[in-house]
Amino acid sequence: EAQVTQNPRYLITVTGKKLTVTCSQNMNHEYMSWYRQDPGLGLRQIYYSMNVEVTDKGDVPEGYKVSRKEKRNFPLILESPSPNQTSLYFCASSSPQEREGYEQFFGPGTRLTVL
Amino acid sequence: AQKVTQAQTEISVVEKEDVTLDCVYETRDTTYYLFWYKQPPSGELVFLIRRNSFDEQNEISGRYSWNFQKSTSSFNFTITASQVVDSAVYFCALSEARGSTLGRLYFGRGTQLTVWP
Repeated sequence: EAQVTQNPRYLITVTGKKLTVTCSQNMNHEYMSWYRQDPGLGLRQIYYSMNVEVTDKGDVPEGYKVSRKEKRNFPLILESPSPNQTSLYFCASSSPQEREGYEQFFGPGTRLTVL
Repeated sequence: AQKVTQAQTEISVVEKEDVTLDCVYETRDTTYYLFWYKQPPSGELVFLIRRNSFDEQNEISGRYSWNFQKSTSSFNFTITASQVVDSAVYFCALSEARGSTLGRLYFGRGTQLTVWP
């Protein structure tokens, strides 16, 4: 089954404790992306990757890091989480082929709370 | 700068009414892509449609239709004969083109549509 998986789905942590949210896709997509969703603000892109070893900043990259060492994985790293990073996070992947519509497939989301 | 505005924060309609969700965008790019996504109460994000900047044809898919007008920088979404299952948050999004692939994506803040029985 074609899917994007994220782990963990829920996480409660404390300020300053490094964490990683994993994202994996099995569709051989080149484009992957991370978003955060906050009430009243919609979805905001954090980072995106057009291919292995190619990443770029989105709208709200501060406080986040990413890496793309393999095509299927795109982890999101919070080196020193702060309470303002409490949010719902979505990972997505997309085919680069225009004939496939550039449809983004989203993971189920990770709800992160930073105390 | 790129920007997507969904001015309607919340819309409520009664079943079988038609409803239009507005989306206005700003971009300096000549090539770009526009999208609509749906987020039902269960929380997942579902792709609905993509439009290229050079393709202004309107699209109809069942009860859904989309009106893309470059002259007004709008990409509006109409649901005909709405149903309770259409209740969701709807997001409009804009992507710059990076060669033949997507670049950065910009989402609007979403419109919460509630359809009452």
